[in-house]
Amino acid sequence: NAGVTQTPKFRILKIGQSMTLQCTQDMNHNYMYWYRQDPGMGLKLIYYSVGAGITDKGEVPNGYNVSRSTTEDFPLRLELAAPSQTSVYFCASSQTGTGKEQYFGPGTRLTVT
Amino acid sequence: AQKITQTQPGMFVQEKEAVTLDCTYDTSDPSYGLFWYKQPSSGEMIFLIYQGSYDQQNATEGRYSLNFQKARKSANLVISASQLGDSAMYFCAMEETAGNKLTFGGGTRVLVKP
Repeated sequence: NAGVTQTPKFRILKIGQSMTLQCTQDMNHNYMYWYRQDPGMGLKLIYYSVGAGITDKGEVPNGYNVSRSTTEDFPLRLELAAPSQTSVYFCASSQTGTGKEQYFGPGTRLTVT
Repeated sequence: AQKITQTQPGMFVQEKEAVTLDCTYDTSDPSYGLFWYKQPSSGEMIFLIYQGSYDQQNATEGRYSLNFQKARKSANLVISASQLGDSAMYFCAMEETAGNKLTFGGGTRVLVKP
């Protein structure tokens, strides 16, 4: 199994541009998450989803949008990129229920200049 | 709101020795979970260990153990017999039961010396 895959691995955006970060998992997990990690910091939750068609905001949702049309995919959309969105973005998934390990993708390193 | 604090930004440990990484948390929820993840310099997030708030015994996974003191709201990670490959960032995280969302601490960088 591939687990959680993310594309692209790296991306440089100009201020004001938009892009979509792709995330796919092949473990049939209902729960999926998007985190961002700024340099030297812990991860912060952007959005999460408990199943197809259901999404909700995390701690830092401003400037982002998500959709969940299938169990496998959970894309993150950046509209009007700003330098403050320069970060490493991690997608994760987990089984339903408490105490379930979150499986993380390899991350996307985004720079906005 | 939940809060996770890791007060040690960085630590050195001698190979083969044990090291304790501190983690304190704050929550008003009676039911919660605590995770530890490892992030090597390559960047991936690796699950290490989990402790539920109602678990009677401290969690252990190989060389990793969790010193859970509920009254003190602490969940310290103990790595025994440190290896060079243990050099990494270590994150403590608290799980909210609704949606299993994680709130992460700021991390502790561990460097194992030969």
